[in-house]
Amino acid sequence: DVKVTQSSRYLVKRTGEKVFLECVQDMDHENMFWYRQDPGLGLRLIYFSYDVKMKEKGDIPEGYSVSREKKERFSLILESASTNQTSMYLCASSPRDRGFYEQYFGPGTRLTVT
Amino acid sequence: SQQGEEDPQALSIQEGENATMNCSYKTSINNLQWYRQNSGRGLVHLILIRSNEREKHSGRLRVTLDTSKKSSSLLITASRAADTASYFCATALSSGSARQLTFGSGTQLTVLP
Repeated sequence: DVKVTQSSRYLVKRTGEKVFLECVQDMDHENMFWYRQDPGLGLRLIYFSYDVKMKEKGDIPEGYSVSREKKERFSLILESASTNQTSMYLCASSPRDRGFYEQYFGPGTRLTVT
Repeated sequence: SQQGEEDPQALSIQEGENATMNCSYKTSINNLQWYRQNSGRGLVHLILIRSNEREKHSGRLRVTLDTSKKSSSLLITASRAADTASYFCATALSSGSARQLTFGSGTQLTVLP
């Protein structure tokens, strides 16, 4: 079974802190994604990566950056956390040849910025 | 704006009844997918229907797709309390990045025992 893990289930940070959210998948997937989920807004794509060291902006990249140094790991970075970045963050992965197909999700990280 | 919009936003039914959720979208798609999310957890893929398909079944799930109306429906038959969750549709566009999915805002289904 595909397993996507995220470094923390719950995280509390202060405004202005640099925050790292880590995601690891164990199925050798080429594509990895970061979403944020807010009530009433569904999932919104922040960034995705289709290969090591490659990244593409999603719909809401402002205030975020990403890093993909190894195939299995995709990190989301909040350079200077703000209260409007309080949200649930979900990581997902999918194989290259199935880019049109299902994504496999991690359990999510609920981030609170105070 | 969201590519996919689910309707209704919330649905409450009794165990054993059928639940129907709808999804509308705006542009041409390659496929449409339905996902389920239990409270506070990640999403789990349920079913995928391609743009050239009209209906698909998986266990108690039935999905229809009407590309002329740009809409899809998810039917869960003989619902169980364990079906209580949020359900999201997601569309893969026929143009642009082949890797992205665009999610709707979800339907919260509550199945009462």
